[in-house]
Amino acid sequence: AQSVTQLDSQVPVFEEAPVELRCNYSSSVSVYLFWYVQYPNQGLQLLLKYLSGSTLVKGINGFEAEFNKSQTSFHLRKPSVHISDTAEYFCAVDGGGAQKLVFGQGTRLTINP
Amino acid sequence: DTGVSQNPRHKITKRGQNVTFRCDPISEHNRLYWYRQTLGQGPEFLTYFQNEAQLEKSRLLSDRFSAERPKGSFSTLEIQRTEQGDSAMYLCASSRWTGENTEAFFGQGTRLTVV
Repeated sequence: AQSVTQLDSQVPVFEEAPVELRCNYSSSVSVYLFWYVQYPNQGLQLLLKYLSGSTLVKGINGFEAEFNKSQTSFHLRKPSVHISDTAEYFCAVDGGGAQKLVFGQGTRLTINP
Repeated sequence: DTGVSQNPRHKITKRGQNVTFRCDPISEHNRLYWYRQTLGQGPEFLTYFQNEAQLEKSRLLSDRFSAERPKGSFSTLEIQRTEQGDSAMYLCASSRWTGENTEAFFGQGTRLTVV
């Protein structure tokens, strides 16, 4: 079975500051990893994904994430955040390859001016 | 490509009533997924289809829940005898499965409130 732990339920940062949202996963098989963003009363939008290859993955809106197999982590980063990045961020794992995702509990990112 | 469409966006119902939600996936997407998201939590997998075949159901999907995808296009999720604990956002996603992992696209969800 797979599981995902997002270590921070809320992360407040100032505008233009860097941010890291932490995600750890557990799986007994090879995994595919995803970060999704959810704006209020909206569905989920894919930010980036790791399927194979380079462990540094770049996504939309200036986000990137690094897959670390030894630490079973997939932390999301952005060097400079904007007010518009205020949202809920979800890390997810697909350990079976069936695109059946297991999500973390989410991290609420709040950007302060 | 108009994206994944879910209707209605919001539903308020009295406890004990039946409700049905509809999901229209992106055309030519052969896989369709249902998730449930309660307040403050991440989405939880409920069930998925490949074409019209329902391939897996989560233990979260009690006997009161049923999902169909009769022609391999749109899908419906019905909840019978709703309970307050059914209040949640119900999310639908679709993908084009070719044997390799690809992106699942999510709809905006249907928010159910049981009063």
